[in-house]
Amino acid sequence: GQNIDQPTEMTATEGAIVQINCTYQTSGFNGLFWYQQHAGEAPTFLSYNVLDGLEEKGRFSSFLSRSKGYSYLLLKELQMKDSASYLCALPTSGTYKYIFGTGTRLKVLA
Amino acid sequence: NAGVTQTPKFRILKIGQSMTLQCTQDMNHNYMYWYRQDPGMGLKLIYYSVGAGITDKGEVPNGYNVSRSTTEDFPLRLELAAPSQTSVYFCASIVQGLYTGELFFGEGSRLTVL
Repeated sequence: GQNIDQPTEMTATEGAIVQINCTYQTSGFNGLFWYQQHAGEAPTFLSYNVLDGLEEKGRFSSFLSRSKGYSYLLLKELQMKDSASYLCALPTSGTYKYIFGTGTRLKVLA
Repeated sequence: NAGVTQTPKFRILKIGQSMTLQCTQDMNHNYMYWYRQDPGMGLKLIYYSVGAGITDKGEVPNGYNVSRSTTEDFPLRLELAAPSQTSVYFCASIVQGLYTGELFFGEGSRLTVL
């Protein structure tokens, strides 16, 4: 089976740094994805990790530890437009199912 | 390049009615997916397909059916609509190389069952 856990909501201040965690259990690991979803819109791809360590992409970074079943998304220099839901997702091994966590709603305050 | 196109964008159904949500992609993607998203929740996989003629159940398939007669089209059928099927439905596709490529989503279809 597969299980993905994320905090439901987080609040942060404009200009700050926020870390959104994702823990998972899976029988076969084939990489972990992060998506951003603004209210009323479709999700869009942010990052992909398959090896342990940090992947940096501008203000966004994503970290993976396969041994701990743990990933986080790090958002720096927060802007109001970063207010959105952030979804952690895993493709399952051998079945092609692509499963999402419940998502974390981030509110950025001025 | 249109990407993934879903129709209709909005629909209101009465309990017991049937309808089909259409999904078309023009990127020649092998894998296609249908998700539903209830308010404030994540995405739940309904059905998926790895190619024309091949479909399989996801996490929440009950009350839905799919078909995949061509690479481009992946319609989702609701046979007897129930209030529990009120949700936003997203179709998505991914290029071959599942574990390294990201999902491309349609804009969503907002369905209300009264």
